[in-house]
Amino acid sequence: SQTIHQWPATLVQPVGSPLSLECTVEGTSNPNLYWYRQAAGRGLQLLFYSVGIGQISSEVPQNLSASRPQDRQFILSSKKLLLSDSGFYLCAWSVRVQARYGYTFGSGTRLTVV
Amino acid sequence: DQQVKQNSPSLSVQEGRISILNCDYTNSMFDYFLWYKKYPAEGPTFLISISSIKDKNEDGRFTVFLNKSAKHLSLHIVPSQPGDSAVYFCAASISYSGAGSYQLTFGKGTKLSVIP
Repeated sequence: SQTIHQWPATLVQPVGSPLSLECTVEGTSNPNLYWYRQAAGRGLQLLFYSVGIGQISSEVPQNLSASRPQDRQFILSSKKLLLSDSGFYLCAWSVRVQARYGYTFGSGTRLTVV
Repeated sequence: DQQVKQNSPSLSVQEGRISILNCDYTNSMFDYFLWYKKYPAEGPTFLISISSIKDKNEDGRFTVFLNKSAKHLSLHIVPSQPGDSAVYFCAASISYSGAGSYQLTFGKGTKLSVIP
């Protein structure tokens, strides 16, 4: 069966510090991978998605970047965090051409920038 | 431009009654519509979906209705249970047949509270 792992679960970082959140998927090959953010009181905002190794599409220009060094690994990074980067970050994966099943989400990372 | 809208940020329902969550969309190119359920500090989990060529899909206590002419869908939960208390997200997909992939657009969510 397919599983998605996302860590850490919670993170408190000072302003200006770097960020690295990691997500890995098991049990599937060549998935589409996504990073979402849920800010306080707001919906799910798509940040990045990837349809293959080394391929990243950015939806919202911002202080963050993403990389996909391996087929089932997706990393969200920042060189210098801002207070506005606080939020709940979610990684997700999907199988191509199976829209009826949607995305499968990880358990999320609560990031607080202080 | 918000293509998927959930206009009610919250909804309270008595246990055993029906919960109706609503969602409106603007893009007629959406081909699938989905509902997700999210508990605090957890990732959303898939509940039920419906193809744009259908008007109803049922799975146990959950039924989704689609009205294409009104660009409106709704999720009915009958009977509502306290464990249903969560945030419900409506989502819509557009498939990119050339790339063999699709992308979901989410609404802002509706917080459902089922009162015992």
